[in-house]
Amino acid sequence: EAGVAQSPRYKIIEKRQSVAFWCNPISGHATLYWYQQILGQGPKLLIQFQNNGVVDDSQLPKDRFSAERLKGVDSTLKIQPAKLEDSAVYLCASSSRGLDILDEQFFGPGTRLTVL
Amino acid sequence: LAKTTQPISMDSYEGQEVNITCSHNNIATNDYITWYQQFPSQGPRFIIQGYKTKVTNEVASLFIPADRKSSTLSLPRVSLSDTAVYYCLVGEVSNYQLIWGAGTKLIIKP
Repeated sequence: EAGVAQSPRYKIIEKRQSVAFWCNPISGHATLYWYQQILGQGPKLLIQFQNNGVVDDSQLPKDRFSAERLKGVDSTLKIQPAKLEDSAVYLCASSSRGLDILDEQFFGPGTRLTVL
Repeated sequence: LAKTTQPISMDSYEGQEVNITCSHNNIATNDYITWYQQFPSQGPRFIIQGYKTKVTNEVASLFIPADRKSSTLSLPRVSLSDTAVYYCLVGEVSNYQLIWGAGTKLIIKP
């Protein structure tokens, strides 16, 4: 079974530029998560999708971050414009069941973003 | 919201049993405890999950006392490859939220 795929693996941009990350979850997984992980900290949930609908985006900085999950499969996370404090690893995860936080989450390798 | 507290770091040696304790004083009746492991440059990986007493799988055991205000992840006979960050999470079933703490950095020495 293929795992969660993310691209790019690394990205370096200057502040005020825009950037987009892509995630392809495990086939058939209904729930998709985007996390932000700052160095030395645990992951912070940005947004959770159930199929192509948003379940929770309470911690997503909506003035600069946006995310979509077209057709309930792939997802993109965009930052526009980026700030220095957005430097972090962006993790995508998926789980098979819907709205079950006890369900095991499968994580991708992450995208390491550096904002200069 | 239940919040977890773990030691920032721990050291041990190959072949030893390692116990990492997590405190979650405000855990609610329906909440579960889940542990994840994260290696450098990788996403976290599920280890084990439990509600009370003891749960064991092929890689770890999870001990949860009756008051459920803490839990202990036990790794038997660790090896160098167990060097990682271990996260204790409380799954708030009522809010559909997983609360991630800062994790415990475990370093295994030869």
